[in-house]
Amino acid sequence: DAGITQSPRYKITETGRQVTLMCHQTWSHSYMFWYRQDLGHGLRLIYYSAAADITDKGEVPDGYVVSRSKTENFPLTLESATRSQTSVYFCASKSTGNNQPQHFGDGTRLSIL
Amino acid sequence: TQLLEQSPQFLSIQEGENLTVYCNSSSVFSSLQWYRQEPGEGPVLLVTVVTGGEVKKLKRLTFQFGDARKDSSLHITAAQTGDTGLYLCAFPDFNKFYFGSGTKLNVKP
Repeated sequence: DAGITQSPRYKITETGRQVTLMCHQTWSHSYMFWYRQDLGHGLRLIYYSAAADITDKGEVPDGYVVSRSKTENFPLTLESATRSQTSVYFCASKSTGNNQPQHFGDGTRLSIL
Repeated sequence: TQLLEQSPQFLSIQEGENLTVYCNSSSVFSSLQWYRQEPGEGPVLLVTVVTGGEVKKLKRLTFQFGDARKDSSLHITAAQTGDTGLYLCAFPDFNKFYFGSGTKLNVKP
């Protein structure tokens, strides 16, 4: 089925560990995004990508790394997890065009102990 | 700095009531989007408004973009329990998106 999938759905890890969240879309959308959602802050953009091998920082990029070697995948890595990175992470994709809708995955709930 | 302010933050009403939620900013936007998010899921686009003063209707939902393109409202007529969720406004800025913090709506049966 076409769509955008995130994995894992839930993850518990410890401070200092590296963790990678996966995102895969089947529409061949050019743009992909990573957001974190915390109470009182809505969705905040971490990183985005306009195409394969092109990535750029969003509002809150510190402590995160992304890559986009293939159009359909956009993994997000926390190189050394901190408690402040406990959050729900959403991946999204969209086609070219400023008013095109973003299509979101169902999120990854990440807890860092 | 929150570029988009949404109000109210929380709203709890009875089924059948009407409600309005707001999205305000001091900035002018080329367009604005409204999303609804249900628990455990990602946001889903409801509408995009582009022209100042524009009104769009989606069944019982009415969206308005302010004349100066700095604010927007979402009005729900005769709310149903299925309208329960988090309503988010967002504006696109050269293919990046900035979201408000949302209005959490609970419609009680």
